[in-house]
Amino acid sequence: DTGVSQDPRHKITKRGQNVTFRCDPISEHNRLYWYRQTLGQGPEFLTYFQNEAQLEKSRLLSDRFSAERPKGSFSTLEIQRTEQGDSAMYLCASSLVTGGAYQTQYFGPGTRLLVL
Amino acid sequence: KNEVEQSPQNLTAQEGEFITINCSYSVGISALHWLQQHPGGGIVSLFMLSSGKKKHGRLIATINIQEKHSSLHITASHPRDSAVYICAAGQGGSEKLVFGKGTKLTVNP
Repeated sequence: DTGVSQDPRHKITKRGQNVTFRCDPISEHNRLYWYRQTLGQGPEFLTYFQNEAQLEKSRLLSDRFSAERPKGSFSTLEIQRTEQGDSAMYLCASSLVTGGAYQTQYFGPGTRLLVL
Repeated sequence: KNEVEQSPQNLTAQEGEFITINCSYSVGISALHWLQQHPGGGIVSLFMLSSGKKKHGRLIATINIQEKHSSLHITASHPRDSAVYICAAGQGGSEKLVFGKGTKLTVNP
């Protein structure tokens, strides 16, 4: 068990370009969350998956953002036509939910995006 | 007003001091999480609690559900405790987290 991994760790892009981030959760975890953190702020919820199903999306997630978890394992987050306001740390977390018990979320190291 | 409020925003202490960070929340929660974030961004979960008190080493977390308030205590603080401590409310069936802005703790030797 190597924990949650994210790739790339850093991404610099020009405004208007598309970017895609990948998250590999802990292997048996069925829940996967995406959060975004801007400088000096706490993270904000973007979306989450239960297995391959995307169950909730934040109003923060504009039409330029799309996330997938096609086989219920890794997930991708794509941002189309990036804007400078998209510059942030994108965090992925996973957890194993069984029955009704609340579970700890394990975070990846994050992908830091800078849009020039 | 944020749904999860932390105080103080910044805290400087001398090694060995007893530290308290407070968290108040205005949303319904499934559980209250305390997280630690080091420079560079990595986040580690410290505690998840829905009632009472939990202890791990020098760290203690308490929650008062009626008052919607939680505290994180660090006993005998050490410079390696320097980090940002974040309180987060787990919500509903999704358990998505609503985060406070964090408390930056600096412990000087």
